[in-house]
Amino acid sequence: EVQLVESGGTVVQPGGSLRLSCTASGFIFSNYWMSWVRQAPGKGLEWVANIKQDGSEKYYVESVKGRFTISRDNAKNSLYLHMNSLRAEDTAVYFCARDKAWAYYLDYWGQGTLVAVSS
Amino acid sequence: HSVLTQPPSVSGAPGQRVTISCTGSNSNLGAGYDVHWYQQLPGTAPKLLIYGNNNRPSGVPDRFSGSKSGTSASLAITGLQAEDEADYYCQSYDNTLSASTYVFGTGTKVTVL
Repeated sequence: EVQLVESGGTVVQPGGSLRLSCTASGFIFSNYWMSWVRQAPGKGLEWVANIKQDGSEKYYVESVKGRFTISRDNAKNSLYLHMNSLRAEDTAVYFCARDKAWAYYLDYWGQGTLVAVSS
Repeated sequence: HSVLTQPPSVSGAPGQRVTISCTGSNSNLGAGYDVHWYQQLPGTAPKLLIYGNNNRPSGVPDRFSGSKSGTSASLAITGLQAEDEADYYCQSYDNTLSASTYVFGTGTKVTVL
């Protein structure tokens, strides 16, 4: 069974930094692209970033470029999102998802972790 | 902001058929990129419902079906059931000169009357 478990969400001050983690199990992690998607409270879904199997390609939504970095450790079956210069508008539940990048869709999602940017 | 537009809400009685539209543009659906649909039950993570315009993952009931034509797509739910009450999102790939990203629809809340 495919499982994705996010962690690391918390309350952080504007301008602060945070690292989210996603631990995968039930599939060969190193064979798949992975994505982060976020959902602000009461709002819709927004794709944030994705990363190729070996980490050699990374893509970001414009609003986080230069502030967020996606990375992975295939030996640990883990995906990360390093978030810097956080803003109030980054407040959201962050989901990691397995990415069928060759067909541009996300087939399995974690339960999400909440990041709240507030002073 | 979302580049795929959906109606904010649709509703139907149990057993009825409802459809959700998803309108895009020439940089996403109209460029030939497939549409995919996700169901988000209250308080839970999104779940893949339809991929590649009209394909259901294993375990998704055949009451759910999808279609796409040009810059538009739709999700149909036939034989509406109480457990179908959820938010539904379409998703595709958007490719412009300035950026290429996954894009989601604005979301539609389905209410079972």
